[in-house]
Amino acid sequence: AQKVTQAQTEISVVEKEDVTLDCVYETRDTTYYLFWYKQPPSGELVFLIRRNSFDEQNEISGRYSWNFQKSTSSFNFTITASQVVDSAVYFCALSEADNFNKFYFGSGTKLNVKP
Amino acid sequence: DGGITQSPKYLFRKEGQNVTLSCEQNLNHDAMYWYRQDPGQGLRLIYYSQIVNDFQKGDIAEGYSVSREKKESFPLTVTSAQKNPTAFYLCASSNKQGQRYRAFFGQGTRLTVV
Repeated sequence: AQKVTQAQTEISVVEKEDVTLDCVYETRDTTYYLFWYKQPPSGELVFLIRRNSFDEQNEISGRYSWNFQKSTSSFNFTITASQVVDSAVYFCALSEADNFNKFYFGSGTKLNVKP
Repeated sequence: DGGITQSPKYLFRKEGQNVTLSCEQNLNHDAMYWYRQDPGQGLRLIYYSQIVNDFQKGDIAEGYSVSREKKESFPLTVTSAQKNPTAFYLCASSNKQGQRYRAFFGQGTRLTVV
């Protein structure tokens, strides 16, 4: 079974629009970590955020914000006032208590921000 | 600067040949990983290693081999048994302390079978 689902394969927006990338995860562990990574065209994955399962506070970092809801097993990512430089593939990932060194990645969402 | 170095960036292989992808890290991380990325399929785990001289198969280990003789190095060999090796390969590392399980990634190697 897929542990991390990113149902949006590709999203296109016009610059300055807000956009939300969805992430739904599946785990039986009560202790786990959730991550978001950005993959620009260069290929390297850039870390954006880590959230542990005991911290449901939403987080805001500049134009980025994350909404973690355990009740719906979701960890959604919103970019406010999108910019062309935000164009990339975004991955959501999960690691579980039984093996924190093993990461499960979603299939990614490709975001196209048009000028 | 600390980080992960993958080489080469582009690699071409003839059918039937083995090739080895290099991954070196100077972050003093215990765990290292190899992922394969195909278009639209996200990252799939090939092998991972949590300590020197030990490694485990991931979800798609068939046709690949690894070694972990040194903490800083985790080379991946794509053997002739791998039937569809053309893909983008990413190496990563992580540690239990410090960055607390966050994975750091290299810039990737794009392998093409010609």
